[in-house]
Amino acid sequence: ETGVTQSPTHLIKTRGQQVTLRCSSQSGHNTVSWYQQALGQGPQFIFQYYREEENGRGNFPPRFSGLQFPNYSSELNVNALELDDSALYLCASSDSGQGWGNTEAFFGQGTRLTVV
Amino acid sequence: AQSVTQPDIHITVSEGASLELRCNYSYGATPYLFWYVQSPGQGLQLLLKYFSGDTLVQGIKGFEAEFKRSQSSFNLRKPSVHWSDAAEYFCAVGASDYKLSFGAGTTVTVRA
Repeated sequence: ETGVTQSPTHLIKTRGQQVTLRCSSQSGHNTVSWYQQALGQGPQFIFQYYREEENGRGNFPPRFSGLQFPNYSSELNVNALELDDSALYLCASSDSGQGWGNTEAFFGQGTRLTVV
Repeated sequence: AQSVTQPDIHITVSEGASLELRCNYSYGATPYLFWYVQSPGQGLQLLLKYFSGDTLVQGIKGFEAEFKRSQSSFNLRKPSVHWSDAAEYFCAVGASDYKLSFGAGTTVTVRA
């Protein structure tokens, strides 16, 4: 069991609303990445935060935004929700200073967002 | 840009039989390769990873994977499948900036 926790676990929103998803990273990890996993697909990279700064972004519009806090926890915000935003949103934490050989991305259980 | 292809969308295997899941990657540098497993409604759990050295890597739950640079492949194997291995399996390549690119996944069904 990893130390990455996400809240809430499930959420139903109406099209056009805004949503905030939260992630508490594993202790000692300074990097948080967010992924969107649509039904039947692999996770798609949204963006990554390293020491409170955005450190790369995937092919997602600006209405997807995020924050990382001094304790390395993170939020994903989505504005003007669309039906296609319905997906499992996964948060992953890692320690970027260690290199892939000495770290891994630990994933939370995800938040299932349904937009109606 | 890196990418991953998992050619098999769905595999059905009998309990006790062997399992092999295919993964092909595209990456311009030395790849960092991973296999993750996802049970229904759950997050991703790392099975194993490759970043250098021995091309045959051992993971948890009795899984192993072999890296073949000449074929750009990183196939996952298990000699004897248990019913609890029924899940979705994702291959991923990690870039130096710690972003992961995933394949579309392979669903494994285990029949008694």
